[in-house]
Amino acid sequence: AQSVTQPDIHITVSEGASLELRCNYSYGATPYLFWYVQSPGQGLQLLLKYFSGDTLVQGIKGFEAEFKRSQSSFNLRKPSVHWSDAAEYFCAVGLNYGGSQGNLIFGKGTKLSVKP
Amino acid sequence: AAGVIQSPRHLIKEKRETATLKCYPIPRHDTVYWYQQGPGQDPQFLISFYEKMQSDKGSIPDRFSAQQFSDYHSELNMSSLELGDSALYFCASSSQGTGPMNTEAFFGQGTRLTVV
Repeated sequence: AQSVTQPDIHITVSEGASLELRCNYSYGATPYLFWYVQSPGQGLQLLLKYFSGDTLVQGIKGFEAEFKRSQSSFNLRKPSVHWSDAAEYFCAVGLNYGGSQGNLIFGKGTKLSVKP
Repeated sequence: AAGVIQSPRHLIKEKRETATLKCYPIPRHDTVYWYQQGPGQDPQFLISFYEKMQSDKGSIPDRFSAQQFSDYHSELNMSSLELGDSALYFCASSSQGTGPMNTEAFFGQGTRLTVV
């Protein structure tokens, strides 16, 4: 069965420090992978997605993620964190090719806190 | 740019009552998805519709039903409400066209349902 694992429930980093959020997936074929961010009480905003091609994907707000098939990972990175990045981050795998991109399995999320 | 609109934003119902949540997708989007996010949980896929037909079904309870109308808006009907139904309900929409018309899912702000 498809699944997404985010090993870190809560991460705290200092403002200006680099960030890496881990995501591992289990899927029988080449996955469609997504990172979403959710501020408290808000909806989910797409940061970036991977379908195929270049394994290093650039997203919004200075985020990037790297797909590593050998490790079944899709880790999210940012070189310098801003206080406004404090939120919850969800990694997700899409269950359909080409067509529906909204049938997703989410990880449990990683809550990011930023220290001044 | 227009986003996914959900109404109401907040809803309080008593046990055994009925609730109806509404979702208005982004214009020209043909697919709607419903998700349930319990407190401190990841979003769980409930059901989706493509061109007014149910396209996929997830962990939606039998007490819930949904439909997509001719103008592509969708309604989630929830009956015999239980305390455990208290959650944030998200609607998302996407376009399932080919090539650049095929988009990722855009999420609404959610409806927070509290069952007392």
